[in-house]
Amino acid sequence: AQTVTQSQPEMSVQEAETVTLSCTYDTSESDYYLFWYKQPPSRQMILVIRQEAYKQQNATENRFSVNFQKAAKSFSLKISDSQLGDAAMYFCALLYGGSQGNLIFGKGTKLSVKP
Amino acid sequence: SQTIHQWPATLVQPVGSPLSLECTVEGTSNPNLYWYRQAAGRGLQLLFYSVGIGQISSEVPQNLSASRPQDRQFILSSKKLLLSDSGFYLCAWSQYWTSGSLGGELFFGEGSRLTVL
Repeated sequence: AQTVTQSQPEMSVQEAETVTLSCTYDTSESDYYLFWYKQPPSRQMILVIRQEAYKQQNATENRFSVNFQKAAKSFSLKISDSQLGDAAMYFCALLYGGSQGNLIFGKGTKLSVKP
Repeated sequence: SQTIHQWPATLVQPVGSPLSLECTVEGTSNPNLYWYRQAAGRGLQLLFYSVGIGQISSEVPQNLSASRPQDRQFILSSKKLLLSDSGFYLCAWSQYWTSGSLGGELFFGEGSRLTVL
């Protein structure tokens, strides 16, 4: 069975500082994607960053970057220069299953940004 | 560009009443379609997914059902709502995904908040 675990229910960061959100996963699939989604108070899920499992290079998207450790099955998200608009629930997700593309989520980390 | 819409945004229903949430995707063809539920303070749970018209797979046994009458239309239904059906429901779509493609991510609708009283 595929699982995604986020061990930090809540995190807090000072504006302009850096924060890292943790995620571990388990899968028996050889091909899969990993994602971080952001869910602001408006509740719509927004894709932050994605990582293809076959790529060794860590994905980067502006202030967002990941540390993908495939052997350890770890996929953390680093947010640099945190902004007030980064405050949201962050979900780690695992996509597997070929053409049907099953996406399973962790339980989320609530990030607060202090001015 | 592709867009996804779901409605209604908010719904308050009595126990035992029927439910119909609708989701449509525009700007793409033959998408994979999904219904997720998010209970308060919890992550997202996959309820149903569909890879084509009339093809529905259920992930969990429940009081709900899904249908895909058209290529870009996905409907979540119930004949009799339970209190436990309350939650935030999200429809999503993705491109047909194969290993090595650049796609794969899900794009979500705005969500529908259902309160069963």
